Amino acid sequence: NAGVTQTPKFQVLKTGQSMTLQCAQDMNHNSMYWYRQDPGMGLRLIYYSASEGTTDKGEVPNGYNVSRLNKREFSLRLESAAPSQTSVYFCASSAPFGRGRETQYFGPGTRLLVL
Amino acid sequence: EDKVVQSPLSLVVHEGDTVTLNCSYEVTNFRSLLWYKQEKKAPTFLFMLTSSGIEKKSGRLSSILDKKELFSILNITATQTGDSAVYLCAVSGLRAGNMLTFGGGTRLMVKP
Repeated sequence: NAGVTQTPKFQVLKTGQSMTLQCAQDMNHNSMYWYRQDPGMGLRLIYYSASEGTTDKGEVPNGYNVSRLNKREFSLRLESAAPSQTSVYFCASSAPFGRGRETQYFGPGTRLLVL
Repeated sequence: EDKVVQSPLSLVVHEGDTVTLNCSYEVTNFRSLLWYKQEKKAPTFLFMLTSSGIEKKSGRLSSILDKKELFSILNITATQTGDSAVYLCAVSGLRAGNMLTFGGGTRLMVKP
């Protein structure tokens, strides 16, 4: 089991460029999440997908879009990158039900720098 | 709006010391509180607490929850340099998609 995987690991963009961050999990989890982490700010939820076919906004959704391609994959798109989107992005997934369903498992992160 | 506050923001100790990290929270319809350890990359799960007064223990780490006073503590005894990390606290309420609200973290540095 690879768990949660993310690509790329690191990316540099110019202001206005677009890109898609990819995330996949092989744990058969229903729920998937995208967070950003900035110094001193902890993890903030951008978007989440409670199950295949559904997506919802989190705490900081502006400037982002998501696609839940299938049960395994959840992508995050920046249509027109801004320097304020410089951050480390984490994808996570959690089991659908049962005890411990709140426990989220994280990918290794994508470090994004927008110039 | 759910809120999690961790203290201290950072802490420097020497190997062998005991540390206590704090997490206070406000959440609608509390379900659970989770602790994660984050070293260089992804957060890794430590504990999930749902009931007051029941200590969870894993080696030198332990944690307890007080649902009346709305806080949790994470204790690390006989600290080692490998304990150096950011420790994150998160809470789950009755929100769709098992969403978590994270605190800002406590950065722990253990010196040899």
